[in-house]
Amino acid sequence: EDQVTQSPEALRLQEGESSSLNCSYTVSGLRGLFWYRQDPGKGPEFLFTLYSAGEEKEKERLKATLTKKESFLHITAPKPEDSATYLCAVQAVGGGYQKVTFGIGTKLQVIP
Amino acid sequence: GAVVSQHPSRVICKSGTSVKIECRSLDFQATTMFWYRQFPKQSLMLMATSNEGSKATYEQGVEKDKFLINHASLTLSTLTVTSAHPEDSSFYICSARPTINNQPQHFGDGTRLSIL
Repeated sequence: EDQVTQSPEALRLQEGESSSLNCSYTVSGLRGLFWYRQDPGKGPEFLFTLYSAGEEKEKERLKATLTKKESFLHITAPKPEDSATYLCAVQAVGGGYQKVTFGIGTKLQVIP
Repeated sequence: GAVVSQHPSRVICKSGTSVKIECRSLDFQATTMFWYRQFPKQSLMLMATSNEGSKATYEQGVEKDKFLINHASLTLSTLTVTSAHPEDSSFYICSARPTINNQPQHFGDGTRLSIL
């Protein structure tokens, strides 16, 4: 069974204090790893897809990296508007039924 | 790009009422749509996969007669919670995946369902 574990569950940063969120995964064969941002009372907003180990993607202050066992979401010089819950999800290879498994998320709070 | 609209955003109704939630992909076609349920401090739990023109695939433990899914077109899926009870109160979120392979799911903004 595919598993996704995110850490920490919650993270409080001062504005400008860079940090990283972790997503460890177990999957029979990785088709893709996804990062989403979710604001309270809203649906997840797509950020990145990573397909293979060594791949990196960037968007503004966010950079996502991938190894064979985990992914990191690096946040550089965060701002209060980066406060949200960040979700990681994996999709396995094979079969016509491509279920995506989500982690519980990391709730990030950036303090001015 | 990739906008998914979910309606309504909030429903408050009496026990025994049936509630229909709509999910539309506005600028792309989606052969497959997904319905999730999310409880506070828990991950998104997949309820069912909605396939255009065929029956939905339900996850283990999800009652298909309780949660009726219809995917009548490439841009619309509906979830009907039949005879809703207080334990059905939750945050329901739909997503749609573009027909092109390896594209990520895009989510609606969710429906907060409160059954009194």
